[in-house]
Amino acid sequence: KQEVTQIPAALSVPEGENLVLNCSFTDSAIYNLQWFRQDPGKGLTSLLLIQSSQREQTSGRLNASLDKSSGRSTLYIAASQPGDSATYLCAVPYAGGTSYGKLTFGQGTILTVHP
Amino acid sequence: DTGVSQDPRHKITKRGQNVTFRCDPISEHNRLYWYRQTLGQGPEFLTYFQNEAQLEKSRLLSDRFSAERPKGSFSTLEIQRTEQGDSAMYLCASSLEFGTSGMAGPDTQYFGPGTRLTVL
Repeated sequence: KQEVTQIPAALSVPEGENLVLNCSFTDSAIYNLQWFRQDPGKGLTSLLLIQSSQREQTSGRLNASLDKSSGRSTLYIAASQPGDSATYLCAVPYAGGTSYGKLTFGQGTILTVHP
Repeated sequence: DTGVSQDPRHKITKRGQNVTFRCDPISEHNRLYWYRQTLGQGPEFLTYFQNEAQLEKSRLLSDRFSAERPKGSFSTLEIQRTEQGDSAMYLCASSLEFGTSGMAGPDTQYFGPGTRLTVL
């Protein structure tokens, strides 16, 4: 059974700081890993999908890395802004049988960027 | 394309009542997923459809829960005889079956805004 863990559970930083969010998973037989953002009381917004064959994926100030063999992914946020404050979730899909595509999520990291 | 939509956004009900939620996926997506999220937790998988076929149901989905996707387009999730423990955010997501542009494995899932259920 796939288990996904995110560290830290919460993070508070001053505006402008670069930061790293961590995600680990127990079953390394994955096709890809997805990072999401969730604002309070809202649905999830897809940020990045990184394939197992990739080591990094970038979108603007966001950079996701994936080390499949060690079961780890990191989300790097450069020059953080108050608007980045949200919960960040990583998720890994099942890729076999009738469970194909089903996502297993971590518990999320609550990020607060203060001015 | 307006993305995934869900209705209602909020539902308050009394214990024992039945509730039904609706999800409209992105039009060309043939896979549709339901997840449940409680406060401080990541979403947990409930069930999913490929076109109109329901392919898997989580053991979290008791007999009081039923989901349909009658024509392979929108989906409904019904909870009968609601209990206080059913209070949660119910999220719907849709995706293509396979990755785009030659990508291997499951494609990106796009989530709706969720339905917040409160059972009194």
